[in-house]
Amino acid sequence: EVQLVESGGGLVQPGGSLRLSCVASGFTFSSHWMHWVRQAPGKGLEWVANIKQGGSEKYYVDSVKGRFIISRDDAKNSLFLQLNSLTAEDTAVYYCARGLGWLPDSWGQGTPVTVSS
Amino acid sequence: EIVLTQSPGTLSLSPGERATLSCRASQSVGNNFLAWYHQKPGRTPRLLIYNASRRATGIPDRFSGSGSGTDFTLTITRLESEDFAVYYCHQHAYSPLTFGGGTKVEIK
Repeated sequence: EVQLVESGGGLVQPGGSLRLSCVASGFTFSSHWMHWVRQAPGKGLEWVANIKQGGSEKYYVDSVKGRFIISRDDAKNSLFLQLNSLTAEDTAVYYCARGLGWLPDSWGQGTPVTVSS
Repeated sequence: EIVLTQSPGTLSLSPGERATLSCRASQSVGNNFLAWYHQKPGRTPRLLIYNASRRATGIPDRFSGSGSGTDFTLTITRLESEDFAVYYCHQHAYSPLTFGGGTKVEIK
């Protein structure tokens, strides 16, 4: 069974940073693209970033380029998202998702990030 | 960026009725890489349909997807209680990947 467990969310002040983690199990992590998708309170889904097997390709939505960094550690079945220069607009639940190619098919339960002073 | 527009915003139906949800793309979705998810309150999105018309593993056959290019449809032939949720379409053909704004299917 595919399992994705996110952690690292919390309350942070505007301009601050957080590092989100996602530990995967139940599948061969190193063989899959991985994604971060977020959902602001009461809003829809917004894709944030994805990363290829091995980390050689990374893509971001424009609103986070230059502020967020996606990375992975295939030896530890782990995906990360470094969030910098946070603003209130980044407040959301952040989901880790496995990719079938670029299709996010299995999702974690999410970790909430709140940006507020 | 491909913008996905879903309609209607809300669909009020009774159990056993048929639901038809629309997703229109601002430009053609390559390879029909269009998927549908549903999400219940407080829950994780679940993949229903991918490649416009292929059901994901474990999805019952009352769910079907159709369409190509810029116009796509999700049909639920006979609504069951667990189907009342928000439905999102999603394109994964081009970066940035994008989602539609969602259609809420609520009990009438």
